[in-house]
Amino acid sequence: SQQGEEDPQALSIQEGENATMNCSYKTSINNLQWYRQNSGRGLVHLILIRSNEREKHSGRLRVTLDTSKKSSSLLITASRAADTASYFCATDNTNAGKSTFGDGTTLTVKP
Amino acid sequence: EPEVTQTPSHQVTQMGQEVILRCVPISNHLYFYWYRQILGQKVEFLVSFYNNEISEKSEIFDDQFSVERPDGSNFTLKIRSTKLEDSAMYFCASSVGSGFGELFFGEGSRLTVL
Repeated sequence: SQQGEEDPQALSIQEGENATMNCSYKTSINNLQWYRQNSGRGLVHLILIRSNEREKHSGRLRVTLDTSKKSSSLLITASRAADTASYFCATDNTNAGKSTFGDGTTLTVKP
Repeated sequence: EPEVTQTPSHQVTQMGQEVILRCVPISNHLYFYWYRQILGQKVEFLVSFYNNEISEKSEIFDDQFSVERPDGSNFTLKIRSTKLEDSAMYFCASSVGSGFGELFFGEGSRLTVL
């Protein structure tokens, strides 16, 4: 598998439900970031978690990081139709700021 | 809120033509990047730039690509002789630091090579 692989590839839920997306990576990292991309738009940074952190919260978002398993999860609680987008994890393991993106999870939240 | 701006939003060009994509990073940021996303595929790193020189580049960033910071605000990506496979969305990003902070992305420039 490639650095920064998300699963599932696609997720469809009802408004109000929670959405969980997972990301796995292969090499050691400085940090892991989650981004959101609405169709045809740019990438919006959601949350950054450093390699020495295990969990981080931001509003309805909760990110966990397990460096022993080289995996991270993004939980969106109480989802809204406006959360419909693609979500990408990106890992940074260099000092040059090069981030490696995964394939993304396409989330559809039905009203 | 400060943002990264990119122009043009969409450019159509003939194969073999030169293209320059422009970006204005956030003013106090020191690191600048170009990424690209071919339709339906993942976002791919092209190049990072700091202190007026390339910090790192990917295999994609071959001799037909170049970057420049011609003045204190703009950061450009030049594709010398475009190929069909260069058709993609090109994203500029900037960050305060390297390896420690988030990347702020622009909305992208869609390049279509005919």
